[in-house]
Amino acid sequence: DAKTTQPPSMDCAEGRAANLPCNHSTISGNEYVYWYRQIHSQGPQYIIHGLKNNETNEMASLIITEDRKSSTLILPHATLRDTAVYYCIVFETNAGKSTFGDGTTLTVKP
Amino acid sequence: GAVVSQHPSRVICKSGTSVKIECRSLDFQATTMFWYRQFPKQSLMLMATSNEGSKATYEQGVEKDKFLINHASLTLSTLTVTSAHPEDSSFYICSARGGGVTEAFFGQGTRLTVV
Repeated sequence: DAKTTQPPSMDCAEGRAANLPCNHSTISGNEYVYWYRQIHSQGPQYIIHGLKNNETNEMASLIITEDRKSSTLILPHATLRDTAVYYCIVFETNAGKSTFGDGTTLTVKP
Repeated sequence: GAVVSQHPSRVICKSGTSVKIECRSLDFQATTMFWYRQFPKQSLMLMATSNEGSKATYEQGVEKDKFLINHASLTLSTLTVTSAHPEDSSFYICSARGGGVTEAFFGQGTRLTVV
């Protein structure tokens, strides 16, 4: 069973910030939040992950609420190539498996 | 990021035959590999988890005698679909973790079509 819930779809204008929310209300203390995206017919691509602090890399920013029950992935300047299904998953780094939910289909429009 | 290579990217086979899919970590040692299956317009479904040198752990409902997983080295895992049937047609994806890296990296996937 997926431990996260995400809206099924979102639209974003090209050049604007895309903010993708994720609820993970049952997250445990040693579980990280990971974000991946999948472009049609390709394997998922790692974006970013975090435990409790906000994180930023060259692709995106990750904002995790203080109670860790939800997070938001931010693509600061969305491009058409960012159109994909975005998955938020939680798992322990030293444990095993990651279970994917249904993800959010982000469509970036010109 | 780390590179995980999956081969072949596409395969068509006849019903009743077996197909082997390879998953290689090219620049790190993968202590754990995961195999997923994805049907059209659906999310990834975890099939099994394998640790190097150990037997794979299968998810509920996944037939271990049908989907044979071998993780004999730190850079290679294979998934063999035995006696394939048309309902096994799907997109199979592997991912790998290890080498002190916490995130899992995914292969490009294998599109299996059983005719």
